[in-house]
Amino acid sequence: SYVLTQPPSVSVAPGQTARITCGGNNIGSKSVHWYQQKPGQAPVLVVYDDSDRPSGIPERFSGSNSGNTATLTISRVEAGDEADYYCQVWDSSSDHYVFGTGTKVTVL
Amino acid sequence: EVQLVESGGGLVQPGGSLRLSCAASGFTFSSYEMNWVRQAPGKGLEWVSYISSSGSTIYYADSVKGRFTISRDNAKNSLYLQMNSLRAEDTAVYYCARVFGDGGSLDYWGQGTLVTVSS
Repeated sequence: SYVLTQPPSVSVAPGQTARITCGGNNIGSKSVHWYQQKPGQAPVLVVYDDSDRPSGIPERFSGSNSGNTATLTISRVEAGDEADYYCQVWDSSSDHYVFGTGTKVTVL
Repeated sequence: EVQLVESGGGLVQPGGSLRLSCAASGFTFSSYEMNWVRQAPGKGLEWVSYISSSGSTIYYADSVKGRFTISRDNAKNSLYLQMNSLRAEDTAVYYCARVFGDGGSLDYWGQGTLVTVSS
């Protein structure tokens, strides 16, 4: 089955840039989506189709995808960005949705 | 406003059954594919099941195949998950989520309903 690997944690100072990676075999050939989840809340879509943002999501959130790694970049990090972040793809070879292992972003 | 509201969670004994519901409003439910996604306490997100807009295509995670059944009633704007032969490892918050576009992203999620499997 298809596996998506994320770093367990990323720490970043306010105003700096956080980069969260999502590794998968030839993930560059798939559409990658990213979710933000704060404690006790449902996930929120922040980037879809590698690099598009839903309405209402700040431009500070951006995404890229190439080769075996997709990346979510959060620029000018704010305290409110502290959350768990998950990548996700649709694996057509198994007809399964797949979520990454999740990354906890801590704002120092 | 798009709303997804889950219900039906609760405490059930191992081997028991439970039926979750997801009431949709604010959009044309019959035009959208839907999913169930769960999250065990303190753990990450795990996809459970997918159903096409008409209900004709259905997929399951290996961990629930043969035990869970997804269905929908487009006339009632509702999504369901029938869970049988429940195990302790099925304990989780269960979310329903709407599929957006062709890429398979999930753009709207419900608030979740907690299922606890314990004796």
